[in-house]
Order: sequence, then C-alpha cells, then structure tokens
Amino acid sequence: EVQLLESGGGLVQPGGSLRLSCVASGFTFSNYAMSWVRQAPGKGLEWVSATSNSGGSTYYAGSVKGRFTISRDNSKNTLYLQMNSLRAEDTALYYCAKNCGYCSGGNCYPCDSWGQGTLVTVSS
Amino acid sequence: EIVLTQSPGTLSLSPGERATLSCRASQSVSFSYLAWYQQKPGQAPRLLIYGASSRATGIPDRFSGSGSGTDFTLTISRLEPEDFAVYHCQQYGSSPPTFGGGTKVEIK
Repeated sequence: EVQLLESGGGLVQPGGSLRLSCVASGFTFSNYAMSWVRQAPGKGLEWVSATSNSGGSTYYAGSVKGRFTISRDNSKNTLYLQMNSLRAEDTALYYCAKNCGYCSGGNCYPCDSWGQGTLVTVSS
Repeated sequence: EIVLTQSPGTLSLSPGERATLSCRASQSVSFSYLAWYQQKPGQAPRLLIYGASSRATGIPDRFSGSGSGTDFTLTISRLEPEDFAVYHCQQYGSSPPTFGGGTKVEIK
C-alpha cells in the first residue's frame, strides 16, 4: 500500500522559511515523479511543484518560482520542499502526491496517491 | 495555462439520485488528460477517474467519466451516502497542471 507522510509544517512569520518533508513507502520511490499540491483554507487545489524520478528535472508554479525549491533523496525515500520568502498567501495545507501532472515518454500521469498533508500558516 | 471551470458550484441531491458534474477547459485538453478526484472533509483527495473516462483502482462502477476537447463530465449513477463530498477536476497534459474550483455534492 502506498503511504506518503508529510511533516515540517507550522506557523512562520512573513518573509520566513520552512522545509517540508514527505516520506514515502509501499512503492519504489526512485521510479516515480513526485509533486507538491496545496490547498488554502476553504479553497481549491493548486499544483505547486514537481520533480522527476531522479530529481534531475524540477518544475514550479509561477506563484512560487524563485522562492520554493523541490528536491528528493531517493536513498531515504523522501521528498522535500524548501520554502523561502513566505507570504500570507502561501498559507495552506501542503500535500505530497505521486506523479501528479508529470509527463515522460509521451505519457502524462495524474496524482494517483496523496499524503494527508501538513499545514503551513504564514502570519505575524 | 489552462483554466478549468466546474459547474455547478454546489449540487443538492438525495441518495439514489443521479449526479452530473461538469468541467469546462479554456482550451483543448491534450489527449484527454483529464482526471477527477473526490475529497471528503478532513481528508486528502482520492483519484477517481483518469484519461477522462478510466476508473482508478477500486473505484465503483457507479462513477463514470466522459468528454473530450474542452468539455468533460463526471456522472455518479446512483448516489450512495458516502458519495457526498467535493469533486475536483484536473488537466495534467499541459504545464502547469491545473485544477478546477470544485463541485460540492451535498445531501438535499
């Protein structure tokens, strides 16, 4: 069974930083692209960032480009999201998801597994 | 980026009734790379449909997806009590992947 467990959320002041982690189990982590998707309170879903299975390719939403960095450690089955220069509008529940809009070899893949999320609150 | 518009915003129905949810794209969705997700309060989304019409593993056959190009539909043939939730559509064939605003299916 695929399991994704996020951690690292919390309360941070505007301009601050946080690092989110997502530990994966139940599948061969190094074979799959991974993504972060967020959901502001009472709002819809927003794709944030994705990385290829090797970590060699990364992609970002325009709203976070230049402030967030996605990375992964395949030896630890762990996905990360380094978030800098945080703003109030970054307040959301951040989900780790498997695949989720990544395209490779002529095929594209939906978000087929999700974690339970970690809450990030940006407020003074 | 492709903007997805879901309608209606809220659908009030009774158990046993048929639910029809719409997702309209601002431009054609590549190769029908359109997915539907179900989200219950306090839970993560769950993949229901991918490729516009393929059910994900373990999804009951009362859920069906259809459409192509810019117009897509999720149909729940007979609502069960556990189907009352928010449903999100997503296109994942063009970068960036984008989601619709969601449709809430509530008990009438």
